[in-house]
Amino acid sequence: ELKVEQNPLFLSMQEGKNYTIYCNYSTTSDRLYWYRQDPGKSLESLFVLLSNGAVKQEGRLMASLDTKARLSTLHITAAVHDLSATYFCAVVRDSRGTSYGKLTFGQGTILTVHP
Amino acid sequence: EAQVTQNPRYLITVTGKKLTVTCSQNMNHEYMSWYRQDPGLGLRQIYYSMNVEVTDKGDVPEGYKVSRKEKRNFPLILESPSPNQTSLYFCASSQGHYYEQYFGPGTRLTVT
Repeated sequence: ELKVEQNPLFLSMQEGKNYTIYCNYSTTSDRLYWYRQDPGKSLESLFVLLSNGAVKQEGRLMASLDTKARLSTLHITAAVHDLSATYFCAVVRDSRGTSYGKLTFGQGTILTVHP
Repeated sequence: EAQVTQNPRYLITVTGKKLTVTCSQNMNHEYMSWYRQDPGLGLRQIYYSMNVEVTDKGDVPEGYKVSRKEKRNFPLILESPSPNQTSLYFCASSQGHYYEQYFGPGTRLTVT
C-alpha cells in the first residue's frame, strides 16, 4: 500500500523567511503532484513532477523530485502572506503498471505566513 | 472558459435515498476522478476513469458507483447513502496522468 507523508503538517512562518515542506512516499513512483488549497476553496495545481531530478519553479515556490529517495520537496523563498494555504503532495501509484490512474495524497501542510 | 463543474454544490439528504452528483468538464480531457475530503483523513480517491467506458477503483470505492458514457461527464452515484458518506467531494479532470488535474468547486454532502 502506498503511503504518502508530509512534514511538517503545520508551518507558521514569518514573511521574508525561507522554508521547505517535505513529501515522502513509500513505493516506487515517478510521478508526483503538488496542489494548493485555500480555506473553503477547491484545489489548484502547482506542479507536476515527472522524473527523477525534476525541478520546477513558479514565483516563490520551487518543487523537486528525487525518486531514488522517494522524496519531493516544496521550497518557499521569502514567504509572503498570500502563500498562506494548505499544500498537498500526491503520488501516482504504480506508474508503470495497470493502476497508473490511482493517486494517493499526503495529509497536507497548513502554512500560515505572519507579517 | 475551461472548467470542471459539479452539481449540486450543497446537498442534505437522508440515509438510503439514492443520489447522483454530476461532474462535467469542457476541456475534452480523457482522465477524470472523484475524491472525498474529510477532516483528519485528507483527500482520498474514490474512482477514476482513464477514458470513456474505462473506470477503476481508487482507495475508497465502497458505497459509490460511477459511469463514463461520455467523455465530458463523470457522475458519482450513491445508491444508498449513509452518514459516513457525509463529506466534501471533488471531481477533477486532466489530459492524462502526465498532466495537471483541474478540480471542480466541490460538493458538500450531508447524510442524516
